[in-house]
Amino acid sequence: DAKTTQPPSMDCAEGRAANLPCNHSTISGNEYVYWYRQIHSQGPQYIIHGLKNNETNEMASLIITEDRKSSTLILPHATLRDTAVYYCIAGTGSYQLTFGKGTKLSVIP
Amino acid sequence: GAVVSQHPSWVICKSGTSVKIECRSLDFQATTMFWYRQFPKQSLMLMATSNEGSKATYEQGVEKDKFLINHASLTLSTLTVTSAHPEDSSFYICSALSPGGDGGEQYFGPGTRLTVT
Repeated sequence: DAKTTQPPSMDCAEGRAANLPCNHSTISGNEYVYWYRQIHSQGPQYIIHGLKNNETNEMASLIITEDRKSSTLILPHATLRDTAVYYCIAGTGSYQLTFGKGTKLSVIP
Repeated sequence: GAVVSQHPSWVICKSGTSVKIECRSLDFQATTMFWYRQFPKQSLMLMATSNEGSKATYEQGVEKDKFLINHASLTLSTLTVTSAHPEDSSFYICSALSPGGDGGEQYFGPGTRLTVT
């Protein structure tokens, strides 16, 4: 899996969009960008993944740069329940995912 | 989304005993499941990859004779911690790979907190 770099922590006001960046400059052509989050003392929750194109689902949007060296996860209207550690992982989902330290997102009332 | 369950959610055992943790994919079949371990304030670390009907593949540094993995069906994998010691106390998490043409998705269980006294 390509290594990813994320800021260790971020704050976001409740109701505002949370934009979480991720750098994956060594990503290879067949590797996807996956986002998971982990709320304290729970298993990680799948959020979204993409290869080249931007993706959107009911939870979030994923914006991948054209050169695929970085991406941004967008939570359009953050709530207190979105407070968690967010992991950006570059890899092929059929194989093991390598978790880094992630970004601790704190949503503030 | 797909659901993965783990049982038990927490367990306390005495040093020297064995503990079995179950991981089930409830609404899909998973030929591949993964076992992770997470120590406090640290990230998840992959322990092993479990493939249905074959031997598990262990990551470097993980003792296969201590952490026994069985993936006997397409919906169940088990992790047995044998002769547990206090240093084995951790949060154990499994995931199941949901097949998909675009890279697949791993769905994680809620985790099992093991405390060895």
